[in-house]
Amino acid sequence: ETGVTQSPTHLIKTRGQQVTLRCSSQSGHNTVSWYQQALGQGPQFIFQYYREEENGRGNFPPRFSGLQFPNYSSELNVNALELDDSALYLCASSLQGVGETQYFGPGTRLLVL
Amino acid sequence: QQQVKQSPQSLIVQKGGISIINCAYENTAFDYFPWYQQFPGKGPALLIAIRPDVSEKKEGRFTISFNKSAKQFSLHIMDSQPGDSATYFCAASDTGGFKTIFGAGTRLFVKA
Repeated sequence: ETGVTQSPTHLIKTRGQQVTLRCSSQSGHNTVSWYQQALGQGPQFIFQYYREEENGRGNFPPRFSGLQFPNYSSELNVNALELDDSALYLCASSLQGVGETQYFGPGTRLLVL
Repeated sequence: QQQVKQSPQSLIVQKGGISIINCAYENTAFDYFPWYQQFPGKGPALLIAIRPDVSEKKEGRFTISFNKSAKQFSLHIMDSQPGDSATYFCAASDTGGFKTIFGAGTRLFVKA
């Protein structure tokens, strides 16, 4: 059984650019949630995907978008990057309908200059 | 109503001592309360979780105490060890809901 993996581990972008972050969910998990964790803060929920559909969204603007693929892997896309987007982006996978336990990946550290 | 308030922000405990972290919530729809442990450079890892139908849950050195009427819950780490030094997050969600709300975190340092 493989855990949640994310790529890349680190990324540096400039303001206004676009970025795509990737996540492979734990084997057998059909749900992926994305979180933004600013330095010294708790993770903030961005959105969740279940069976390739967005299943809920937090207080993030539309320039944060996502995809989930048939193999349940997922992408987070952020357009028009702003300095405040600098954070650790975490992906968590779970199995819908079987408790709420989420398994987190190691995250992607994004720095926007 | 969606907030989970966590305290203290940081905690220093002697090896062998008890570490206590407290959280409070407002949304009575929350019915699942996990605690996560996060080491630098890693994602959060589930430590222990509780549902409001019980007042206490113990797993090894880790205990959650839950007070439904006060809408508060706490994590106790018994016999704290230097390897427990990490950031701890409380969280809350509701069954069938899609969103988990995290506290701001507590940085624990256990002195050898």
